[in-house]
Amino acid sequence: DSGVTQTPKHLITATGQRVTLRCSPRSGDLSVYWYQQSLDQGLQFLIQYYNGEERAKGNILERFSAQQFPDLHSELNLSSLELGDSALYFCASSTQQGLTDTQYFGPGTRLTVL
Amino acid sequence: AQSVTQLGSHVSVSEGALVLLRCNYSSSVPPYLFWYVQYPNQGLQLLLKYTTGATLVKGINGFEAEFKKSETSFHLTKPSAHMSDAAEYFCAVSDNGNQFYFGTGTSLTVIP
Repeated sequence: DSGVTQTPKHLITATGQRVTLRCSPRSGDLSVYWYQQSLDQGLQFLIQYYNGEERAKGNILERFSAQQFPDLHSELNLSSLELGDSALYFCASSTQQGLTDTQYFGPGTRLTVL
Repeated sequence: AQSVTQLGSHVSVSEGALVLLRCNYSSSVPPYLFWYVQYPNQGLQLLLKYTTGATLVKGINGFEAEFKKSETSFHLTKPSAHMSDAAEYFCAVSDNGNQFYFGTGTSLTVIP
């Protein structure tokens, strides 16, 4: 158990809908990272927040957005969902702000778009 | 732009045999290099990373990797495979710490 929690574990929704994925980092970690893992695209880094501020941005679509709250939990919002958004979404956390800091991954949220 | 190539999407080894998983990268700046392992239905776990300093990096579970700049490689090895090593392995590169690029992964099967 990495100490990172993600909810929900599974999410099934329809095209065009909007969903919110939630991540709680390990106690004391200030950075949160979001990743997408799909059969088509493989594993992709989406975005990083450090202590509430956006720190680094990867291949995140404009339909997707994220934020980190004062209590350090983070949410990833996915809107106007398409079939291709079906994937496993991972959250990770670390103590420092650099991407080279050791990251601890949550178990993921599996999103299915029908 | 950075990229990572993992040669061999599937590798099978016998229990007790050498494990060698290959990773080549392209980077316009000195890279930071990582190996992650993913067990079924779980998130990723960091095995080891190279940032600066010694080019031979030792990680968890008996794995190690060597950064070879001249070959732009960061191959992962383990002298003796164990059944519990069966998993998906991902190589990743970060340039200046602002982006992460993952390889397509190598599925390791350990044959008893």
